[in-house]
Amino acid sequence: DVKVTQSSRYLVKRTGEKVFLECVQDMDHENMFWYRQDPGLGLRLIYFSYDVKMKEKGDIPEGYSVSREKKERFSLILESASTNQTSMYLCASIGAPSTDTQYFGPGTRLTVL
Amino acid sequence: AQKVTQAQTEISVVEKEDVTLDCVYETRDTTYYLFWYKQPPSGELVFLIRRNSFDEQNEISGRYSWNFQKSTSSFNFTITASQVVDSAVYFCALRGRNTGKLIFGQGTTLQVKP
Repeated sequence: DVKVTQSSRYLVKRTGEKVFLECVQDMDHENMFWYRQDPGLGLRLIYFSYDVKMKEKGDIPEGYSVSREKKERFSLILESASTNQTSMYLCASIGAPSTDTQYFGPGTRLTVL
Repeated sequence: AQKVTQAQTEISVVEKEDVTLDCVYETRDTTYYLFWYKQPPSGELVFLIRRNSFDEQNEISGRYSWNFQKSTSSFNFTITASQVVDSAVYFCALRGRNTGKLIFGQGTTLQVKP
């Protein structure tokens, strides 16, 4: 079974802190994604990566950056957390987009005070 | 632009009732993929089904069935004889041919009461 894990289920940070959300997948997938989930808005794509050290902006990249130094790990970084970044963050991975299904991690519920 | 609309924000039914969750999509791609995911209270998204745009056959899996109609750009999901364990948020999503990016609808919260 595909396994996507996220470093924390719940996280509480203060405004202005630098926050790292980590995601690891064990299926040698090339493509990895970070989504943000908010009530009434569904999931929105923040960033994605289709290879090591490669990244592309999604629909809502402002206030975020990402890092992919190894194939299995994709990190989401909040350089200076703000209260409007309080949300549920979901990581996902996929092998071949044309044939595979995207698998999601359990999510990290981040609260910024 | 691609878009997915789930007009039903919340649905409440009593156990054993049938319930249909609506999904309407917009895309200019001729090849695309449609998905349904379930998100139980635990938070993890669980994959339910993928449907390719060139395959309009409806699908049934136990109490779950899906109706794909290209003519109306709809991909509706029906739960027959609903159970309390079906209570969750359900998301419909769209993906283009050569991309892994998913476009999600707003989600429908289904509550099944005993």
